[in-house]
Amino acid sequence: DSGVTQTPKHLITATGQRVTLRCSPRSGDLSVYWYQQSLDQGLQFLIQYYNGEERAKGNILERFSAQQFPDLHSELNLSSLELGDSALYFCASSAGTSSYEQYFGPGTRLTVT
Amino acid sequence: AQKITQTQPGMFVQEKEAVTLDCTYDTSDPSYGLFWYKQPSSGEMIFLIYQGSYDQQNATEGRYSLNFQKARKSANLVISASQLGDSAMYFCAMREVYNFNKFYFGSGTKLNVKP
Repeated sequence: DSGVTQTPKHLITATGQRVTLRCSPRSGDLSVYWYQQSLDQGLQFLIQYYNGEERAKGNILERFSAQQFPDLHSELNLSSLELGDSALYFCASSAGTSSYEQYFGPGTRLTVT
Repeated sequence: AQKITQTQPGMFVQEKEAVTLDCTYDTSDPSYGLFWYKQPSSGEMIFLIYQGSYDQQNATEGRYSLNFQKARKSANLVISASQLGDSAMYFCAMREVYNFNKFYFGSGTKLNVKP
């Protein structure tokens, strides 16, 4: 158990809908990272937050947004969902802004039908 | 151009033997980090090892070592004394510090350890 929690584990929704994925980092970790893993795109880095501020941005679509709250948990919002958004979404946390050791959560499996 | 290239989609190794998983990278960033992650069939991602671009020594973590050849832009993972539990997907990744700390992942290598 990495200490990173993600909810829900599975999510099935329809095209055009909006969902929110939640992540709680390990106790004491200030950085949260979001990744998408799909069959056709592989693993993609989406975004990083450090202590509430956006720190790094990857291939995150405009339909997606994220934030980190004062208690350090993070949410990834996916809107206007398309079939191609079906993927495993991982959250990871690390102690500092560029700490190299990241601890991954179990992931949220999103299925868009 | 691909930032991270893993040319071995699948590999087999005999239990107790060593295996090398290849990774090459492409960057013009002077400061970067290289990572290896393991993803078993259960799906979780596990951090294995890290090498910074300015590190002089190759990184080692238990049975894992990273063969860092900066001039060749390669960061191969060496697993010594393979175990059945090493069967998994292995991903190489790079973080470019001056490029807004972006991460890039390779397509992965599926390692099967044979008894």
